[in-house]
Amino acid sequence: ATQLTQSPSSLSASVGDGVTITCRASQDISSALAWYQQIPGTLPNLLIYEASSLESGVPSRFSGSGSGTDFTLTISSLQPEDFATYYCQQFKTFPITFGQGTRLEIK
Amino acid sequence: QVHLVESGGGVVQPGGSLRLSCEASGFTFSFYAIHWVRQAPGQGLEWVAFIRSDGTDEYYADSVRGRFTISRDNSKNTLYLQMTSLRTEDTAVYFCAKVPRVYRGYDWFHHWGQGTLVTVSS
Repeated sequence: ATQLTQSPSSLSASVGDGVTITCRASQDISSALAWYQQIPGTLPNLLIYEASSLESGVPSRFSGSGSGTDFTLTISSLQPEDFATYYCQQFKTFPITFGQGTRLEIK
Repeated sequence: QVHLVESGGGVVQPGGSLRLSCEASGFTFSFYAIHWVRQAPGQGLEWVAFIRSDGTDEYYADSVRGRFTISRDNSKNTLYLQMTSLRTEDTAVYFCAKVPRVYRGYDWFHHWGQGTLVTVSS
């Protein structure tokens, strides 16, 4: 199974800051990676698909990059509604796997 | 508008069985693969199972293989997850999730149901 390791596991930042979350795959997954945001008590919300494509309706302060084994999610200027947990997901092979999550907290 | 509505969750004893359903609307159900994904309380997301749009192919997470069976009835626009030999570690909210592209199995999840809670406890 392709393992996804996110770093950091948790992160504190302030409104207006820029942050980057990393997702590393244990094998080459090309661009078969998605990013989700989940606020406690709500559904996962798709942000990025195919590593760098912004889902319709998602603010442009979110961006994704990478291919192969190393990927990043960047939020350029944090807004209050961005404090949540973020997950990466690979869909290159079965079993589909998720990263363990990165919890973004307000400093 | 895509809607996925799960049902069938509840409290069950270890070793027991439960069948979850996911009723779909707002799209041509028979064109799309649907997955089950779960989330234990306070934990991350875990993919559980997949079935192809025509029901001809299935994949399972190692943690559930041999105990869970995914199926679908395209005439009823409904996906199922038959869960047997349940364990306490199966306690989670179970989501059905739809992929965005027709006839694709390997894909991201574009729409999610609200989830149904399964609690395995004595």
